[in-house]
Amino acid sequence: KAGVTQTPRYLIKTRGQQVTLSCSPISGHRSVSWYQQTPGQGLQFLFEYFSETQRNKGNFPGRFSGRQFSNSRSEMNVSTLELGDSALYLCASSFSRSTGGLNTEAFFGQGTRLTVV
Amino acid sequence: AQSVTQLGSHVSVSEGALVLLRCNYSSSVPPYLFWYVQYPNQGLQLLLKYTTGATLVKGINGFEAEFKKSETSFHLTKPSAHMSDAAEYFCAVRDSGAGSYQLTFGKGTKLSVIP
Repeated sequence: KAGVTQTPRYLIKTRGQQVTLSCSPISGHRSVSWYQQTPGQGLQFLFEYFSETQRNKGNFPGRFSGRQFSNSRSEMNVSTLELGDSALYLCASSFSRSTGGLNTEAFFGQGTRLTVV
Repeated sequence: AQSVTQLGSHVSVSEGALVLLRCNYSSSVPPYLFWYVQYPNQGLQLLLKYTTGATLVKGINGFEAEFKKSETSFHLTKPSAHMSDAAEYFCAVRDSGAGSYQLTFGKGTKLSVIP
């Protein structure tokens, strides 16, 4: 069974540009969450999508947005990049149709390392 | 709001010694608790989880943790450290009553194993 796939693994962008990151969850999983990881702030929740709807959102500016497609794949977009957006962005998938329930864990991808110069 | 506190951002142990990583949480409702491990330039891998039932949970690679409600703690232990255990460890909590998979993480503890 394939794990969570994030593309690309590494990205270098210039201040002011925009970027789109992609996440393919584990087959059958309907929830996709995004996290930002930085040395100073640690792991912070960005947002969660479930069945194409944003179910929860963290405390980030509107420059950070996301969406989920009917096949559960998700993208996150950051517009007008700032130096402080340099981070490891992690995607996590949860909820298997076969087992149901909310006590299942989140499975993480390898992350996308974004560097803003 | 939930919060997680991990005591000690860096912990060093000798190979073969006991590993103890501390985690305390604050939650207004019964939480689900998790420990994740992260190796350099990698994502997070689940070590173990507590949802309901037995308060002592066993995970992968010989790790275990005990949920103590009275102390609001979920400390991670391993009887004998191995060089391959060197990594960063994160404690996380999720609200068991919410329909969301949002996790709140501690700041992490970097474990070094000295040969």
